[in-house]
Amino acid sequence: AQTVTQSQPEMSVQEAETVTLSCTYDTSESDYYLFWYKQPPSRQMILVIRQEAYKQQNATENRFSVNFQKAAKSFSLKISDSQLGDAAMYFCAYVGTYKYIFGTGTRLKVLA
Amino acid sequence: ETGVTQTPRHLVMGMTNKKSLKCEQHLGHNAMYWYKQSAKKPLELMFVYNFKEQTENNSVPSRFSPECPNSSHLFLHLHTLQPEDSALYLCASSQIATGYEQYFGPGTRLTVT
Repeated sequence: AQTVTQSQPEMSVQEAETVTLSCTYDTSESDYYLFWYKQPPSRQMILVIRQEAYKQQNATENRFSVNFQKAAKSFSLKISDSQLGDAAMYFCAYVGTYKYIFGTGTRLKVLA
Repeated sequence: ETGVTQTPRHLVMGMTNKKSLKCEQHLGHNAMYWYKQSAKKPLELMFVYNFKEQTENNSVPSRFSPECPNSSHLFLHLHTLQPEDSALYLCASSQIATGYEQYFGPGTRLTVT
């Protein structure tokens, strides 16, 4: 069965610094998608970034980028130039064939 | 209204009550989902509907009953719930052809007394 593990329940980063959130997953499928979602306090969950497993190039969206290591089944999120608005719960998600699996989340605190 | 909306935003119900949660998506998507979010637990997928047909039911107790009358609306009917069912219930939608990127509603905070 597929699993998604986020081993960092909480992380802190200084404003303007860089932080990396970890995510590992387990699957026997070769074709799948990986996502990072952000859930600000009392606000809607929104998509941060998406990676197709068949693509070797790491996805990038402005200050957000991923380090996708398919063989190692690792999918970390790097946030550069952190801003106060980045404070939120971050969820890593795996989507395979009729499988939608989320990790337990990492709470990111941004320090002014 | 834009995106995914959910009503009510907050609901308190007794264990013998019957209530329904409503979700509506204005994105033209063809798949809709119900999730349960409890503190310190992974987001739990409950039900999936693709083109109004239920394709996933992750061993959800029968006291939760989904209904998808069309591709824009999704309901979750609740009856004889237990206190451990208290949680945030999230609705999401996606366009299957574009890789399952999901758009979430704000959720309904449910408290069972």
